[in-house]
Amino acid sequence: SQTIHQWPATLVQPVGSPLSLECTVEGTSNPNLYWYRQAAGRGLQLLFYSVGIGQISSEVPQNLSASRPQDRQFILSSKKLLLSDSGFYLCAWTPGQGRGQPQHFGDGTRLSIL
Amino acid sequence: QKEVEQDPGPLSVPEGAIVSLNCTYSNSAFQYFMWYRQYSRKGPELLMYTYSSGNKEDGRFTAQVDKSSKYISLFIRDSQPSDSATYLCAISLPHTGNQFYFGTGTSLTVIP
Repeated sequence: SQTIHQWPATLVQPVGSPLSLECTVEGTSNPNLYWYRQAAGRGLQLLFYSVGIGQISSEVPQNLSASRPQDRQFILSSKKLLLSDSGFYLCAWTPGQGRGQPQHFGDGTRLSIL
Repeated sequence: QKEVEQDPGPLSVPEGAIVSLNCTYSNSAFQYFMWYRQYSRKGPELLMYTYSSGNKEDGRFTAQVDKSSKYISLFIRDSQPSDSATYLCAISLPHTGNQFYFGTGTSLTVIP
């Protein structure tokens, strides 16, 4: 069966520091991968999605970036964190083939910027 | 207009009650409908997935889709304290795998 892993679960970082959040999927090949940010009462905001290695689409301009160095690995990064980057970050995947398949989420990273 | 609207609640019910959670959506082109359950400090967990009008049942959970009214519902029968969570509806388009739209979530508390 397929599983998705995110780490770390919790992260506290100072303003201006760099960021690297990692997500990996097991048990499937060539998945579509997604990064979301979830703010209380505001739903899920799609940040990036990827349909293959090195292929990244950005949905919201900001100081975050994403990379997909391997088929089942998705990384969210920042060179300099802002206070506004605090939030709950979720990684998700869908099968690469087959339209309309639902997304499956990891357990998220709670990021606090001080 | 948002693609999908969901009443944020909070909703509080006694154990054993029937719970009804609802979402409306704006575009009749949406064809795939999902419900997720999210416990505090966890990621959303897929609960129900359907792509047609009508009802889909899974244990105590029933998902209902009314495409003519652009209305989707999740019913929980014999609610349990373990059902206390935030429930998110989600919809997607048929021609792309990358466009999902989520409701803001309804917070449910089932009181023992």
